[in-house]
Amino acid sequence: GENVEQHPSTLSVQEGDSAVIKCTYSDSASNYFPWYKQELGKGPQLIIDIRSNVGEKKDQRIAVTLNKTAKHFSLHITETQPEDSAVYFCAASPYSSASKIIFGSGTRLSIRP
Amino acid sequence: DTEVTQTPKHLVMGMTNKKSLKCEQHMGHRAMYWYKQKAKKPPELMFVYSYEKLSINESVPSRFSPECPNSSLLNLHLHALQPEDSALYLCASSQQEVGETQYFGPGTRLLVL
Repeated sequence: GENVEQHPSTLSVQEGDSAVIKCTYSDSASNYFPWYKQELGKGPQLIIDIRSNVGEKKDQRIAVTLNKTAKHFSLHITETQPEDSAVYFCAASPYSSASKIIFGSGTRLSIRP
Repeated sequence: DTEVTQTPKHLVMGMTNKKSLKCEQHMGHRAMYWYKQKAKKPPELMFVYSYEKLSINESVPSRFSPECPNSSLLNLHLHALQPEDSALYLCASSQQEVGETQYFGPGTRLLVL
């Protein structure tokens, strides 16, 4: 089945700098890749997603890139702000069982003032 | 509006109690999900309902019993739980079951004594 690996597990960046979180997946047939942000005491919130027919997608300070050949995708946050501090999960939806989302292990992002 | 609501926010129960978690969405979504999330871990899928019928049960113990009374409501009935069942229980919904974005509720934090 699908396996998603996420790195790093923790990330601390200076406010205003960029943050990058990377994920790899194993099932080459996976075709949907969402990113979720989870703040303390809350449920995961979708922040951006990308489908396999697109290589890059951007929404203001957040961008996601997908390399299907290498089977990896990344989240880029520019001009980080204190409210970006949270746990971020990448995920992949395998074609064989598209109702399932396979999550990465999560990255705890801290923004230093 | 992409809101999924869950009640209660917190629940403490003994191992002999029976309780229920409730989830509601008014987005017209036809797929609804229950997830379990332990501290510092990603959400784990428990059940999927599609058009009010149970479509996936991820080998969850029978002390957890899901119910979908209508297209907007999802319940999780709890009976004879163990302390290791203490976790954050998340509900999610999506337009359809296959390859669609899942929107999460805030969760119910459950403590089993």
